[in-house]
Amino acid sequence: AQSVSQHNHHVILSEAASLELGCNYSYGGTVNLFWYVQYPGQHLQLLLKYFSGDPLVKGIKGFEAEFIKSKFSFNLRKPSVQWSDTAEYFCAVKGYGGATNKLIFGTGTLLAVQP
Amino acid sequence: DAGVIQSPRHEVTEMGQEVTLRCKPISGHDYLFWYRQTMMRGLELLIYFNNNVPIDDSGMPEDRFSAKMPNASFSTLKIQPSEPRDSAVYFCASSRGLGVGEQYFGPGTRLTVT
Repeated sequence: AQSVSQHNHHVILSEAASLELGCNYSYGGTVNLFWYVQYPGQHLQLLLKYFSGDPLVKGIKGFEAEFIKSKFSFNLRKPSVQWSDTAEYFCAVKGYGGATNKLIFGTGTLLAVQP
Repeated sequence: DAGVIQSPRHEVTEMGQEVTLRCKPISGHDYLFWYRQTMMRGLELLIYFNNNVPIDDSGMPEDRFSAKMPNASFSTLKIQPSEPRDSAVYFCASSRGLGVGEQYFGPGTRLTVT
């Protein structure tokens, strides 16, 4: 069965600090990988996604993530965070192929950026 | 497009009452998903539909929960009878197609059962 682990549950950074949020997944086949963001009081929005090709994926608002197949990882990065990046970040995985469109989410990482 | 629409946005009810949450997916999307978000368990998939047919309801916690999708533009999630432990934010999401379908989430319904 697919599973997703986000090891950082709560991260506190100062503005301009660099960010890296860890995500590891468990699945034996080809996967599609996603990062969603949930700003305070809002619904989930897609930040970026990986389907195939270049393992370094760039998303909105300066975020990027790197798919490392050998490590089953899809870590999210941003070189310089802003106060407005305060939100909860969810990694998600979907097994590719077969009659399924089921996303498995990690438990989320709450990021607080201090001005 | 208006995006995924959910109603009500907030619901407060007493234990034992029936609760019905509603969702209108994005037009043209053939998949619809119901999720529950709590502090303790994070974001859990409850059930999803493809072309109005339930495909996987393994996440539905118990028989008190039921979901229907009578047509391509409407779905309901019903809890009867409700219990305090059902308090959570319930999200509806929709997507187009298999494989690469990104899921678009609605604003959620915050349910409080007292």
